[in-house]
Amino acid sequence: DQQVKQNSPSLSVQEGRISILNCDYTNSMFDYFLWYKKYPAEGPTFLISISSIKDKNEDGRFTVFLNKSAKHLSLHIVPSQPGDSAVYFCAALQSSGAGSYQLTFGKGTKLSVIP
Amino acid sequence: NAGVMQNPRHLVRRRGQEARLRCSPMKGHSHVYWYRQLPEEGLKFMVYLQKENIIDESGMPKERFSAEFPKEGPSILRIQQVVRGDSAAYFCASSPGLGRDDGYTFGSGTRLTVV
Repeated sequence: DQQVKQNSPSLSVQEGRISILNCDYTNSMFDYFLWYKKYPAEGPTFLISISSIKDKNEDGRFTVFLNKSAKHLSLHIVPSQPGDSAVYFCAALQSSGAGSYQLTFGKGTKLSVIP
Repeated sequence: NAGVMQNPRHLVRRRGQEARLRCSPMKGHSHVYWYRQLPEEGLKFMVYLQKENIIDESGMPKERFSAEFPKEGPSILRIQQVVRGDSAAYFCASSPGLGRDDGYTFGSGTRLTVV
């Protein structure tokens, strides 16, 4: 049962345009969300995060929007650059009963930015 | 200042052998997490450890898998009697604490292939 869903396996965008990556979740206990970027043969690298008490967080070219009522978040990259080509994972954080924070990942969206 | 170091990067084992995956967290990080990524899937939580303690192993298969994080040395993920379905990328992450703003830093992963 996929609690974090990224329904688009891939996305192609022209350089300089906006990239919008979407993510839906089903577990209302999630209260912190993160986006990770992953290049082939490397581990995920943290990109940006948002707490459920906010609806927007911005960091340079990257903005994450959270619609809590719809259980939906999106990552906007503008302007997109060829170096942004990677797999982007949406992840949600919840506190487990054992006192640890587990990340639940979506399956990822492969972004290709075309020069 | 090295990040999270995982070795080996690639590991090939025959069915029935043992696989040992090592993870050295970032300097100053006392929390270690192991995740597994099957082909075409997102990363899935396996286990969370602090020095000499397993805090949360709710994502670990009940048999053949074990993890440790001794007082000295790296964290070890051990898979006994490997089967083809164990073939995956195994990622280790570390953090300095439980705070959400700490973020997780991932290693580059160990790609296990069972032949």
